Amino acid sequence: EPEVTQTPSHQVTQMGQEVILRCVPISNHLYFYWYRQILGQKVEFLVSFYNNEISEKSEIFDDQFSVERPDGSNFTLKIRSTKLEDSAMYFCASSAGNQETQYFGPGTRLLVL
Amino acid sequence: RKEVEQDPGPFNVPEGATVAFNCTYSNSASQSFFWYRQDCRKEPKLLMSVYSSGNEDGRFTAQLNRASQYISLLIRDSKLSDSATYLCVVKIIPNNDMRFGAGTRLTVKP
Repeated sequence: EPEVTQTPSHQVTQMGQEVILRCVPISNHLYFYWYRQILGQKVEFLVSFYNNEISEKSEIFDDQFSVERPDGSNFTLKIRSTKLEDSAMYFCASSAGNQETQYFGPGTRLLVL
Repeated sequence: RKEVEQDPGPFNVPEGATVAFNCTYSNSASQSFFWYRQDCRKEPKLLMSVYSSGNEDGRFTAQLNRASQYISLLIRDSKLSDSATYLCVVKIIPNNDMRFGAGTRLTVKP
């Protein structure tokens, strides 16, 4: 069964550093998403991406964040100048269509020290 | 008022029990509704979509009341493997983002 994969599974970084979280969506999917979940809190939408551009973003997704699809398979989330409060689980998701089910990857646990 | 509100629980039930979870949403423009399941430190996984007429999948039954902006999930004959956090999720068409509730934690005990 096809699945969304994410690397790394865990990332520890120093405050102020840049991190890139990587995702490989399901191969025939066209819509890609990033969500985050701070420990003990709800899952929060960050951004959706379609046709090589951002289609929607939340108020969390400020200038510190960017997304990219550098090739035909990868979808990345870059966080510049990380802050302590960026520590969270970051989930990538993909769907075949706008109204189709979103499938989540296993997540990257980011810890900012 | 929170966009999607759930009773956080925890619900602790014996095997074989029937348990019901409730969820309310604030945005009347919400058009798609889902229950996801999340195991500890894992990703959310779709349990079932929720349709206006109500729908059933084995031991799981979901109901939607648009007038009251209320969604429910009923689990019959609960199993140990049902222990997880159940997330109520709404989607506002034509937006792509999904709005998650904080989840209701269920523990099924032998």
